Amino acid sequence: AQKITQTQPGMFVQEKEAVTLDCTYDTSDQSYGLFWYKQPSSGEMIFLIYQGSYDEQNATEGRYSLNFQKARKSANLVISASQLGDSAMYFCAMREGGTYKYIFGTGTRLKVLA
Amino acid sequence: EAGVTQFPSHSVIEKGQTVTLRCDPISGHDNLYWYRRVMGKEIKFLLHFVKESKQDESGMPNNRFLAERTGGTYSTLKVQPAELEDSGVYFCASSQELREFGGYTFGSGTRLTVV
Repeated sequence: AQKITQTQPGMFVQEKEAVTLDCTYDTSDQSYGLFWYKQPSSGEMIFLIYQGSYDEQNATEGRYSLNFQKARKSANLVISASQLGDSAMYFCAMREGGTYKYIFGTGTRLKVLA
Repeated sequence: EAGVTQFPSHSVIEKGQTVTLRCDPISGHDNLYWYRRVMGKEIKFLLHFVKESKQDESGMPNNRFLAERTGGTYSTLKVQPAELEDSGVYFCASSQELREFGGYTFGSGTRLTVV
């Protein structure tokens, strides 16, 4: 069964340090996409980064990178040089190839400390 | 371009009442999706519209929930009668095409509290 697991309900990080948010997934499909979304206190879900199952290189978008380890079925989000504005809820999600439904994890609440 | 707009942002209603949530997708986006997050749980798919047609409503919890998308523009999600377990945040998202491996644009959600 398709499933996304985020084992860290809450995380703290010092400003300017890097932080890794964990995400593992389960799917029997060979073709799938992995996504991270950020939800600040304002409520909107902001798309951060995407990794395709066939992509050989880890995805990067500015200070965000996705540490994709296919054999371990993990898709951890790494935020470098944390900023106070990074404090938010972060959701890992998956979509299998040819489908439009996201499978989301339960989220990790990140707090960046000054 | 304007993003996905949802209103109201918050709604508090009594058990047994009716509530209607509205979503305005990005103009020109044929695909519209509804998701829901019950407190502390994962965000779950409710349904998918392509223009005015329901493509998939497999995630709708029960027949107290009715979604419409008149003219393929905005969408409404009505809960009638509301129950306590319907409390949560209801998200709407839209996309121009299925964009197999692209991120969708989500709205800010409607926080529904049933008391």
